[in-house]
Amino acid sequence: EDQVTQSPEALRLQEGESSSLNCSYTVSGLRGLFWYRQDPGKGPEFLFTLYSAGEEKEKERLKATLTKKESFLHITAPKPEDSATYLCAVSRGDSWGKLQFGAGTQVVVTP
Amino acid sequence: GAVVSQHPSWVICKSGTSVKIECRSLDFQATTMFWYRQFPKQSLMLMATSNEGSKATYEQGVEKDKFLINHASLTLSTLTVTSAHPEDSSFYICSADSTGSYEQYFGPGTRLTVT
Repeated sequence: EDQVTQSPEALRLQEGESSSLNCSYTVSGLRGLFWYRQDPGKGPEFLFTLYSAGEEKEKERLKATLTKKESFLHITAPKPEDSATYLCAVSRGDSWGKLQFGAGTQVVVTP
Repeated sequence: GAVVSQHPSWVICKSGTSVKIECRSLDFQATTMFWYRQFPKQSLMLMATSNEGSKATYEQGVEKDKFLINHASLTLSTLTVTSAHPEDSSFYICSADSTGSYEQYFGPGTRLTVT
């Protein structure tokens, strides 16, 4: 059975304190791994798609990496506006578009 | 670009009534749209996949007679919750993938409360 596990569940950071979020997955025929950001009461906001092991993508203070078993979302020198829940999702090759989400990591960045 | 809207953003209805939620892709055509629900403090769970001009495909455990999905055009999908009950109260979110793109974009969600 496909599984997506995110850790930690919650993360409290001081402004400027870099950290990493983990998304480990077991899925047959991975087609893509997605990172989203979700603010309370809002829909997820697309951040990155990773397709193959070794791939890396960056956007402002965020950098996503992918291995054969897990993905990391690195937050460098976070600011309070980076506070959100970060969701990881996977899509299988035989059911493209059907995303299976992890439970998310709630990040709080304090000034 | 790649904006998805939902209407209404929140709705309160009485038990036994039906509620329709609209999902629109504003600046792109979406061959496929997806409907998710999210309970408080939980992640998104896929309910169904909607393809323009054909019947929706429902995930296991989702009652297709309760959650009616219509994908009338390349920019509009609707979810109708029929005979709603309090346990249907949830946050419903749609998403769409742009034809030819692997990126999936989500709407802002609709908060449904059934009293």
